[in-house]
Amino acid sequence: AQKITQTQPGMFVQEKEAVTLDCTYDTSDPSYGLFWYKQPSSGEMIFLIYQGSYDQQNATEGRYSLNFQKARKSANLVISASQLGDSAMYFCAMREGRGNTGFQKLVFGTGTRLLVSP
Amino acid sequence: GAVVSQHPSRVICKSGTSVKIECRSLDFQATTMFWYRQFPKKSLMLMATSNEGSKATYEQGVEKDKFLINHASLTLSTLTVTSAHPEDSSFYICSATPMWSSGNTIYFGEGSWLTVV
Repeated sequence: AQKITQTQPGMFVQEKEAVTLDCTYDTSDPSYGLFWYKQPSSGEMIFLIYQGSYDQQNATEGRYSLNFQKARKSANLVISASQLGDSAMYFCAMREGRGNTGFQKLVFGTGTRLLVSP
Repeated sequence: GAVVSQHPSRVICKSGTSVKIECRSLDFQATTMFWYRQFPKKSLMLMATSNEGSKATYEQGVEKDKFLINHASLTLSTLTVTSAHPEDSSFYICSATPMWSSGNTIYFGEGSWLTVV
């Protein structure tokens, strides 16, 4: 079964507008972590935001926020005030377990390509 | 700046030869590093877990004799693609987590583009 599902292969947004990238996950482990990464055409994986399963509040990092709905098993990324430089692939990923040594491997979704237009 | 460095960033090798890719954590130690592979326009797939001082743990379907992993120190893991073939052409990327981290800090290298001709 797919552990991380990103249903939007591509998204378009106009500059300065907000956009939501969807991510749902599946795990039976009560302890897990959810990550969002940005991958530009150069290939590097740029960490954006992290949400732990026990975190009470939604994570925020500058223009990025994570809409964490635990009961629905969703962890959508919200990018506010989109910029042209935000155009890239975005991956949602999950780490199962508490994150101690050996449990830091990630399972990735299929990604969403975001295109920001002027 | 990058805290995990991969080298080389791009390599072209002839079919049948071997190629080594290095993954270094620059300012932290990591007992475990991870190697991923990414086909064009696809997601990242975990290949193996590199364990310092012991054998790597490979994911199902990954040939351990073809993808040799050596984690010789707390800051260096190497992936050697042996007897490379054109189907091994791909983007390979490593990740590492500092020993002091609770697991929510996962750094990736810049990745290595391998082309086998």
